[in-house]
Amino acid sequence: GAGVSQSPSNKVTEKGKDVELRCDPISGHTALYWYRQSLGQGLEFLIYFQGNSAPDKSGLPSDRFSAERTGGSVSTLTIQRTQQEDSAVYLCASSLYYREQGYTFGSGTRLTVV
Amino acid sequence: DAKTTQPNSMESNEEEPVHLPCNHSTISGTDYIHWYRQLPSQGPEYVIHGLTSNVNNRMASLAIAEDRKSSTLILHRATLRDAAVYYCILRSQTGANNLFFGTGTRLTVIP
Repeated sequence: GAGVSQSPSNKVTEKGKDVELRCDPISGHTALYWYRQSLGQGLEFLIYFQGNSAPDKSGLPSDRFSAERTGGSVSTLTIQRTQQEDSAVYLCASSLYYREQGYTFGSGTRLTVV
Repeated sequence: DAKTTQPNSMESNEEEPVHLPCNHSTISGTDYIHWYRQLPSQGPEYVIHGLTSNVNNRMASLAIAEDRKSSTLILHRATLRDAAVYYCILRSQTGANNLFFGTGTRLTVIP
């Protein structure tokens, strides 16, 4: 597609449930990033994928968070046993060359844990 | 990545030029200077980036100081749609792979 697509756009879940968030990057973009943004806060880096290299997971806040990227394209961010502090907007971005080019962000998934 | 310093907020009148400053005194010789903006309820949007020379594109201009310790994003004619948080970010060519988004500058455009 023309842009980075994220689904769902909104997700309300009960505390303790697992959720999956999906990101479709721009076709041909080799780098993919996940960030989250809590209400009124800045962006917090979560994880980074580059081609077939091992992902940089240094930003994942706990072992309840995991992500995978299948076939170098679509990525899924999974949060297990959700907590209320997980409520945030989860943003995905992709880029052609991770050092030289800008990112293109999706519109995000707003996750609310009740 | 080296850190940047931006004013928390700025105001501009509609149809006036806006100069958004950024200080990055610890920049290294290979760091790119990137600017993004985030409109309300949207993901960040790439604006412009540069290394040493001034850059122009359809959205804005980037003026980089000769010593590269500061830069200025220039919106030539502010519109109401330019109201957003503007982030100045240094992109290392050798360090961490992610962009570090600070608090940015919240630009208010006054009709």
